[in-house]
Amino acid sequence: AQRVTQPEKLLSVFKGAPVELKCNYSYSGSPELFWYVQYSRQRLQLLLRHISRESIKGFTADLNKGETSFHLKKPFAQEEDSAMYYCALRWGFNKFYFGSGTKLNVKP
Amino acid sequence: EAQVTQNPRYLITVTGKKLTVTCSQNMNHEYMSWYRQDPGLGLRQIYYSMNVEVTDKGDVPEGYKVSRKEKRNFPLILESPSPNQTSLYFCASGGTYNSPLHFGNGTRLTVT
Repeated sequence: AQRVTQPEKLLSVFKGAPVELKCNYSYSGSPELFWYVQYSRQRLQLLLRHISRESIKGFTADLNKGETSFHLKKPFAQEEDSAMYYCALRWGFNKFYFGSGTKLNVKP
Repeated sequence: EAQVTQNPRYLITVTGKKLTVTCSQNMNHEYMSWYRQDPGLGLRQIYYSMNVEVTDKGDVPEGYKVSRKEKRNFPLILESPSPNQTSLYFCASGGTYNSPLHFGNGTRLTVT
């Protein structure tokens, strides 16, 4: 079965510190992975996806097939990054599997 | 404005009383899906639809029904709600294979 694990429920860092939100997956195939973010009082929205290899709002994520990980990183956290972050895996086109989410709290 | 609209935002009901949560999208997306979010479990897929009259089960379909009579609408139906269906529900839609999911604002359901 496909599964996405986010081991940290809450991550607190100070403004300007590096941040890494962990995501591990189990999948017997070529995964398509995403990070979604939910800011306070807003709906879930896509942050980035591994196939795009892009940097959004200073965040990057690299797919490591050997470690089956897709950790989200940002070198210098900002207060506006405080939000709930979900790692997700798409299986085929139809099914999505989400992690349990990590709440990032960036302190001033 | 392109968006996914869910109604109602909050719903409190009693066991066994049929209810429907509506979901509508204005982006002409073919793919739509429903999720429930529970503490510690993240989002779990209930049902999805690839197009009009094409629906299929996700990971947690028991106790739910859906229909897709029109492309824009994908209602979630609870024929006989039970307390274990108390949850936060999200509807989402998507376009082509590489396009992201667009989520609604969520519906918080409480079944007493």
